[in-house]
Amino acid sequence: QLQLQESGPGLVKPSETLSLTCSVSGDSVSGTAYYWAWLRQAPGKGLEWIGSVFYTGTTFYNPSLESRATLSIDTSANQFSLRLHSVTAADTAVYYCARRRSYGQANTYNPISYYYAMDVWGQGTAVTASS
Amino acid sequence: QSVLTQPPSVSGAPGQRVAISCTGSTSNIGAGYDVQWYRQFPGTAPKLLIYGNNNRPSGVPDRFSGSKSGASASLVITGLRADDEAKYYCHSYDTRLGGSEIFGGGTELTVL
Repeated sequence: QLQLQESGPGLVKPSETLSLTCSVSGDSVSGTAYYWAWLRQAPGKGLEWIGSVFYTGTTFYNPSLESRATLSIDTSANQFSLRLHSVTAADTAVYYCARRRSYGQANTYNPISYYYAMDVWGQGTAVTASS
Repeated sequence: QSVLTQPPSVSGAPGQRVAISCTGSTSNIGAGYDVQWYRQFPGTAPKLLIYGNNNRPSGVPDRFSGSKSGASASLVITGLRADDEAKYYCHSYDTRLGGSEIFGGGTELTVL
């Protein structure tokens, strides 16, 4: 059974870098039908996609966070990571990792020709940006 | 403000049917992108209910169904139960600014 587990510091100082890792068990991150995603949810707010990474290292980012976010993947360790630079209080949120699964032939990240979903989620990890 | 618009709240009595709408635009749902639905209980991670507008993953009861028309989508829950009380989110893809996953603001379902 696929499980995702986020890990990382729960407190980050403003202007510093938030670093989180998602460890994957029960499946390989090298599957060609999957991207691996980071999302977040600020207190009392909705879901926000941060970005997605493929096993080759190809990444896609939310345009609003692209200048500060870096996603990476380590296939040998079966995990993927998020680094968010220059954090502010507005980055305080629960951060989730998730599997983005394609249900059909997916030749591009743009899902115009196939079904897809964030089908498995980690339990989430709370991060507070505060001095 | 979310790119996909959902009503903040809906309610229904046990056994009844409720529908949650998700309104997008010509750069997302209206452009042909499919819609997913997730349920989230307080303090827990979202769970996938519907993918590809109207497909249920294994284990999701057929009380949950989805549909899409034009630039909008709906999640319908029939035979409402007390444990359906949760927040529901729609999800799609938007082509603006190079492409992005987008979510609705969420709808709180109250079972009366």
